[in-house]
Amino acid sequence: EAGVVQSPRYKIIEKKQPVAFWCNPISGHNTLYWYLQNLGQGPELLIRYENEEAVDDSQLPKDRFSAERLKGVDSTLKIQPAELGDSAVYLCASSLGTTGELFFGEGSRLTVL
Amino acid sequence: AQSVAQPEDQVNVAEGNPLTVKCTYSVSGNPYLFWYVQYPNRGLQFLLKYITGDNLVKGSYGFEAEFNKSQTSFHLKKPSALVSDSALYFCAVRPTSGTYKYIFGTGTRLKVLA
Repeated sequence: EAGVVQSPRYKIIEKKQPVAFWCNPISGHNTLYWYLQNLGQGPELLIRYENEEAVDDSQLPKDRFSAERLKGVDSTLKIQPAELGDSAVYLCASSLGTTGELFFGEGSRLTVL
Repeated sequence: AQSVAQPEDQVNVAEGNPLTVKCTYSVSGNPYLFWYVQYPNRGLQFLLKYITGDNLVKGSYGFEAEFNKSQTSFHLKKPSALVSDSALYFCAVRPTSGTYKYIFGTGTRLKVLA
């Protein structure tokens, strides 16, 4: 069974440039999460989807961050414009419902210069 | 405020010795409890979880965890550590009311010395 797939694994951009991350969850997992992980820290939730509905986006900085999950499967997280402080690892995870364990992708490491 | 604490930034243990990585939480009700492991430049991998039932739960790679309701703790244990267990370990709690949002600890780096 394929796991959660994320791309790109690494991205280096200059500040004020846009960037997008893509996530394909495990087949059949209706709940999808985007997390931010700073170096040496635990993941922090950015947004959670139940199917195609964003049910918790309270931690998403909506002035520059946006996300979508069309058709309730793949998801894209966008940052525009990127700032130096956005340098971090962006993790996607999925779960079967909201009570099960999370399955994480490998993450997308963003470096903003 | 709800929180998860991992009081040790790093735990060092000799190979073959038992290990314990501590986790305590402050979450109302009867939350679900999880442990995840993260190897360098990788995502988090699920190790084990406690939902209900026996206080000692067994998980992947020989790890187990003990739930203690009175102390609100969920410590990760392994009887005999391997060098390959060296990684970053995260405790996570999922409340069963309110926002149902997973709360992660700050992580404990485990270093197993040969």
